[in-house]
Amino acid sequence: EAGVTQFPSHSVIEKGQTVTLRCDPISGHDNLYWYRRVMGKEIKFLLHFVKESKQDESGMPNNRFLAERTGGTYSTLKVQPAELEDSGVYFCASSPLGTSGRRSYEQYFGPGTRLTVT
Amino acid sequence: AQSVAQPEDQVNVAEGNPLTVKCTYSVSGNPYLFWYVQYPNRGLQFLLKYITGDNLVKGSYGFEAEFNKSQTSFHLKKPSALVSDSALYFCAVRAHSGNTPLVFGKGTRLSVIA
Repeated sequence: EAGVTQFPSHSVIEKGQTVTLRCDPISGHDNLYWYRRVMGKEIKFLLHFVKESKQDESGMPNNRFLAERTGGTYSTLKVQPAELEDSGVYFCASSPLGTSGRRSYEQYFGPGTRLTVT
Repeated sequence: AQSVAQPEDQVNVAEGNPLTVKCTYSVSGNPYLFWYVQYPNRGLQFLLKYITGDNLVKGSYGFEAEFNKSQTSFHLKKPSALVSDSALYFCAVRAHSGNTPLVFGKGTRLSVIA
């Protein structure tokens, strides 16, 4: 089966511009997560979708970040306007929702999008 | 609040020698523990997990990890390191319930020298 895919792999933009990152989860995975790693730091949680609904967006740094998952399939993460501190690698992960007794515990990660804001 | 500590930024080991990458955690209740690996220009790959049961967990590529509840540790080990094991390793924890997000450590870079 195809894994989690992310586009683009690398984006370089100027401060103040807008960038949209895309994530295609593994087919059938209802859980979709966005994470970010700033250089040398921990990978930090941004938000969690269950199907098309935002389950938890407590990790979103501010209102310049907007995530959507229309139709419960792929997701986009828009940064507008971008600031220097937004640079980092943005990871998407997905997992099945699981039914009682067969919960999938691990998350499957995409290759990440490296965002550089200059 | 959950947290993960990986005390070593870098671990160097000679090929053929055993390796250990350390991880300690803090979580309320019983933890779900994970190790992921990131090879250059690749995404995070799942290595192994501890959910319940035996404290020694075996995973991909010959890696294993030992859950120690009293020391709140989940160190990653391999009996004989390969040069191809050189990568960035992340330990992560999740609270016991629900499809909650992972909390990661900052990563440990493993360098295996031929």
